[in-house]
Amino acid sequence: EAQVTQNPRYLITVTGKKLTVTCSQNMNHEYMSWYRQDPGLGLRQIYYSMNVEVTDKGDVPEGYKVSRKEKRNFPLILESPSPNQTSLYFCASSTTGTGEGYTFGSGTRLTVV
Amino acid sequence: AQSVTQLDSHVSVSEGTPVLLRCNYSSSYSPSLFWYVQHPNKGLQLLLKYTSAATLVKGINGFEAEFKKSETSFHLTKPSAHMSDAAEYFCVVSDWATDSWGKLQFGAGTQVVVTP
Repeated sequence: EAQVTQNPRYLITVTGKKLTVTCSQNMNHEYMSWYRQDPGLGLRQIYYSMNVEVTDKGDVPEGYKVSRKEKRNFPLILESPSPNQTSLYFCASSTTGTGEGYTFGSGTRLTVV
Repeated sequence: AQSVTQLDSHVSVSEGTPVLLRCNYSSSYSPSLFWYVQHPNKGLQLLLKYTSAATLVKGINGFEAEFKKSETSFHLTKPSAHMSDAAEYFCVVSDWATDSWGKLQFGAGTQVVVTP
């Protein structure tokens, strides 16, 4: 089944403790992206990648890192999480990056205390 | 730059009555427009999309939307609401011809409540 898999689904952590949210897709998509969802703000793009070793900042990149060493994987790294990064995170992939054919993961709910 | 405004943060309808969710967009070129739905504690599901073909777009679960370039609108409608339509709905624009290539710009969302 074609899908984007995120792990973990839920995570509670403490301020400053580094964490990684994994994202993997099995559709051979070139374009991958991370979004965060906050009430009243919709989803906002954090980082995106157009191909292996090609990443760029989205609208809200501060406090996050990403890497794209393999086509299928696009992990989101929080080096020193803070409470304002408490949010619902979605990974997505797409064939073309034009908006069509986007597939979203199921989401990761992160709480930083 | 592209942007999306959803004109209602909350909409309450009675079961069996029409649903209207309003969306206005701003885009430099011809955009692609989408409506996504998110049920409680679920991921995002694509309802329908407009990509410069027919201006009236039909989606899943009886929803449809009309692209009106002169009004820069892409309102979502359904003739008869069902209890299962209770969810949050997002209007989304993607403008591939600008430096926003590949980015989906989301509206703030409209929470739909359906009462019996």
